[in-house]
Amino acid sequence: GEDVEQSLFLSVREGDSSVINCTYTDSSSTYLYWYKQEPGAGLQLLTYIFSNMDMKQDQRLTVLLNKKDKHLSLRIADTQTGDSAIYFCAESMRSGSARQLTFGSGTQLTVLP
Amino acid sequence: KAGVTQTPRYLIKTRGQQVTLSCSPISGHRSVSWYQQTPGQGLQFLFEYFSETQRNKGNFPGRFSGRQFSNSRSEMNVSTLELGDSALYLCASSLSQGTYEQYFGPGTRLTVT
Repeated sequence: GEDVEQSLFLSVREGDSSVINCTYTDSSSTYLYWYKQEPGAGLQLLTYIFSNMDMKQDQRLTVLLNKKDKHLSLRIADTQTGDSAIYFCAESMRSGSARQLTFGSGTQLTVLP
Repeated sequence: KAGVTQTPRYLIKTRGQQVTLSCSPISGHRSVSWYQQTPGQGLQFLFEYFSETQRNKGNFPGRFSGRQFSNSRSEMNVSTLELGDSALYLCASSLSQGTYEQYFGPGTRLTVT
């Protein structure tokens, strides 16, 4: 079955690094995503990683994928107050349902000044 | 390039009524997916349309339906509204079937009283 799990809350100081973790269960997942949602807004695609990659870096964002443990993490370097939001991890499966995303429950990131 | 647009942004309906929500994908995108977001159930996949055909459907009752037009715009309809249908309905567009990048609109906030 499909299940994506995330911790609900994370609080960091401005300037520190944030690490948001996610575990998934479907080993056939093709792509894994990180989305950001600010209050009253839709979902913003931050980054994604293909399942045959271990790491992807995009400016302040680093995604690490451990396929063996089915663990995905998002590291935000030099976290700013504007990074405060809910972060969703999502997976999509190979073929047919390639664009059906299964989301985690979201991690509320609070950045303290 | 304009993003995904959804109308209306907010809607209040009464139990038993029906509602139609609209989504215009990013120009050139031909695939549209719909998701429901509630505090209790999180983000759940409703359905996906590509080339005016429903390609995939989530686990929702038949009261939830949708369609896609030749210009890729999509509508979803909910009949016989229930209190539990109160949610943020999000539309996502992607370039074509098999494309892994999905871009979300701001959502329609539906309140059923």
